[in-house]
Amino acid sequence: EADIYQTPRYLVIGTGKKITLECSQTMGHDKMYWYQQDPGMELHLIHYSYGVNSTEKGDLSSESTVSRIRTEHFPLTLESARPSHTSQYLCASSESGQTSYNEQFFGPGTRLTVL
Amino acid sequence: GENVEQHPSTLSVQEGDSAVIKCTYSDSASNYFPWYKQELGKRPQLIIDIRSNVGEKKDQRIAVTLNKTAKHFSLHITETQPEDSAVYFCAASKPAGANNLFFGTGTRLTVIP
Repeated sequence: EADIYQTPRYLVIGTGKKITLECSQTMGHDKMYWYQQDPGMELHLIHYSYGVNSTEKGDLSSESTVSRIRTEHFPLTLESARPSHTSQYLCASSESGQTSYNEQFFGPGTRLTVL
Repeated sequence: GENVEQHPSTLSVQEGDSAVIKCTYSDSASNYFPWYKQELGKRPQLIIDIRSNVGEKKDQRIAVTLNKTAKHFSLHITETQPEDSAVYFCAASKPAGANNLFFGTGTRLTVIP
């Protein structure tokens, strides 16, 4: 079944550690996104990609980086985690055709806690 | 870019009553308006959407209306049930391509049994 997968689902880590949040999709979508969301609060777009080798920063400044080497894979990396990075990170994907609509599908999220 | 405003931020209703959430958008070129429901601890999920070529769409107890002239759209939930309690996000977008979806700030709906 086509879906979006995120691992890990929960991560507790110490300050200064490097982490990578994984996101993969079997939707066949070109566009992928990362959102940062505190529980029940606004969705803040931090990164997006329109396809392989395309990455852009979103509306909310983030110290994280992303890469898009394969269409189905869009990992997010924090080189040195800090307590301020504690949040939920949601990955999403959508179609890209000019005649398509921007219906986004979300992954289950990674809840990150930095001690 | 697009700016989507959503009101109210919180809404409490008695079970069986109706709930209405309103959104406005700024870019007249936007043509797609989805609504997402996010239950506690879950991912946002699309519950209904409307495209700019129609003014109203209904799916059982939920309906969405769109006023392109005024640039606002609304979500209506009738006969609310406790399982409707969640955070609801509206969004707006121009045709896909190189355009993104812009989300409202969310409405926390609580249905009181």
